[in-house]
Amino acid sequence: DTEVTQTPKHLVMGMTNKKSLKCEQHMGHRAMYWYKQKAKKPPELMFVYSYEKLSINESVPSRFSPECPNSSLLNLHLHALQPEDSALYLCASSQGTGTGYNQPQHFGDGTRLSIL
Amino acid sequence: DQQVKQNSPSLSVQEGRISILNCDYTNSMFDYFLWYKKYPAEGPTFLISISSIKDKNEDGRFTVFLNKSAKHLSLHIVPSQPGDSAVYFCAASVTGGSQGNLIFGKGTKLSVKP
Repeated sequence: DTEVTQTPKHLVMGMTNKKSLKCEQHMGHRAMYWYKQKAKKPPELMFVYSYEKLSINESVPSRFSPECPNSSLLNLHLHALQPEDSALYLCASSQGTGTGYNQPQHFGDGTRLSIL
Repeated sequence: DQQVKQNSPSLSVQEGRISILNCDYTNSMFDYFLWYKKYPAEGPTFLISISSIKDKNEDGRFTVFLNKSAKHLSLHIVPSQPGDSAVYFCAASVTGGSQGNLIFGKGTKLSVKP
């Protein structure tokens, strides 16, 4: 069982809808991540939060808006998405980031998002 | 340009034998390498990692070898079991650089036949 919990597991939404993906971890990790994975492709980093502050935004369109309410929670707010945004969205966490932090990232099972 | 390459999309091995999954990288700044296993409908599961100061790391049936001069790493699974059948991703990062930016290979689908 994964220690990173993502909800919902599946989400179907129209291009005008607003929805949110949620991620929770209780391992005391201080870094949390959002990845996007298209079919038959590797995960691609979207955002990194370190100590609840956004530290990396990999040129992600503004229709994706991350939020880190506290050290255990990470949200991804979605608005006006396009059909090409349909993918598996993965959340991950690790103990920390930066020099000396050779710690693995632990992933949730993802949210399968379909945009109609 | 792919910085992490897994050139074998698939590998088939008999149960009990050794599985060897290979990974090549191009960025000499990478200093931390990981292997993940992924089943369908699940997220990647961390298997084993290695820092660039080592050339081998072992955990049970899994051993990762790192050859820095060749920019190559491999994952050995001995003995292979049918439950090992999954997609295996190699990943790399620069721990002092872009924080937490894992670069993944495209994955190798391992099938272990009973």
